[in-house]
Formats: sequence, structure tokens, C-alpha cells
Amino acid sequence: EVQLVQSGAEVKKPGESLKISCKDSGYSFTNYWIGWVRQMPGRGLEWMGIIYPGDSDTRYSPSFQGQVTISVDKSISTAYLQWSSLKASDTAMYYCARHRNNAYDSWGQGTLVTVSS
Amino acid sequence: DIQMTQSPSSVSASVGDRVTITCRASQDISSWLAWYQQKPGKAPNLLIYGASSLHSGVPSRFSGSGSGTDFTLTISSLQPEDFATYYCQQANSFPFNFGQGTKLEIK
Repeated sequence: EVQLVQSGAEVKKPGESLKISCKDSGYSFTNYWIGWVRQMPGRGLEWMGIIYPGDSDTRYSPSFQGQVTISVDKSISTAYLQWSSLKASDTAMYYCARHRNNAYDSWGQGTLVTVSS
Repeated sequence: DIQMTQSPSSVSASVGDRVTITCRASQDISSWLAWYQQKPGKAPNLLIYGASSLHSGVPSRFSGSGSGTDFTLTISSLQPEDFATYYCQQANSFPFNFGQGTKLEIK
């Protein structure tokens, strides 16, 4: 059974850096794309970007290009989403999900990021 | 980028009703469309992929149709657990944008 387990909730100040994680268990991590999705409070789903763990090929939404970095560590079957300088507007729930059959068929439980001074 | 537009934004219905949600793509996406259900405080769940293929474990009252630019999600007989928000997503070309969501509420 596919299971994506995300790191815990974070509370940060504006300007701080952050790296959240998404660990796979139960399938061949390098064979499927892993994506990240943002959901701001009370809002819809936003596609941020996606990475193929096999060769680290990464694609970003223009809305998020340059704002975040997506990476993987194949040795521990983990994908990451990171910020170098957080803003209050980055406050949101962030989900990772596996892309298979041209859809996200398995999702992490979400990581809540709160950015507040 | 391909833009996805859902309608309606919200709908009220009763248990047992048939409900249809529409999703329109700004350009041809063939059948590269998925539908998701999200309940409050939970991660989304895949319902339909490839426009009309039912994901494993999803009840058969859910169905999807369409190709090109126009797609529909139909729930044939609403159950209490179906009241949630539904999203479409295109997977034809990056970025794989979502629709804005349709909130299905109890009448």
C-alpha cells in the first residue's frame, strides 16, 4: 500500500527558511512523479510543481517558479519542498502526492505552515 | 497554461439526488482529466482519472465523462458522505492546474 508521510506542522517568522518533507513507504519511489499542492486557508487546490525521483527532473508552475525549491533524496525515498525566505502569504496547508495514471492517486496527510511575526 | 473552470461553484442537493458538476478546459486536453473529492480538514482523494476511469475503491455511483475541453462528474444518487468539495485537474501539460472547486452542500 502506498503511503506518503509528511513532516509535522511548522510555525515560522517572515524571512526564515523552511524545508518540509514527504517520505514514501510501500512502492518504488523512483518510478513515479511526486507533486506538491498548496491550499491556503479556505481556498482551493493550487498545483505548485512536480519532481521525478528517478532523475530529479523538476517542473514548476509559473506562479511558484523561483519562490520554492522541490528536491528529492532517493536514498531515503523522501521528497522536499523548501523556502529560503518565508512570507506571511506562504501560510497554507501543503500536500505531497504521487502522480500515477495521470492523476494524483495517493496523498500525504498535509503539512500546515504558519508564517507570522 | 491551461485554465480549468468548474461550474457551479456550489450546489445544494438532497440525499438520493443526481448531481452533475462540469469542468471546462481552456484548450483541448484529450482525456487527461481527473476528479477529486475533499472533505474538511482532510487531504483530497482521487475519484476519476482519464476522464472516465473509476479509481480503485470508489463507489460506482460516481462517474465521469467528456473529452477535449468539456467534462462532467456525475453522482447518481447522493449519499450523506458525498457532501464535500470536488475538484477537477488537467494532466495534459504542465502545470497540471486544478479547477477552483465545487462545494456540494446539503439542501
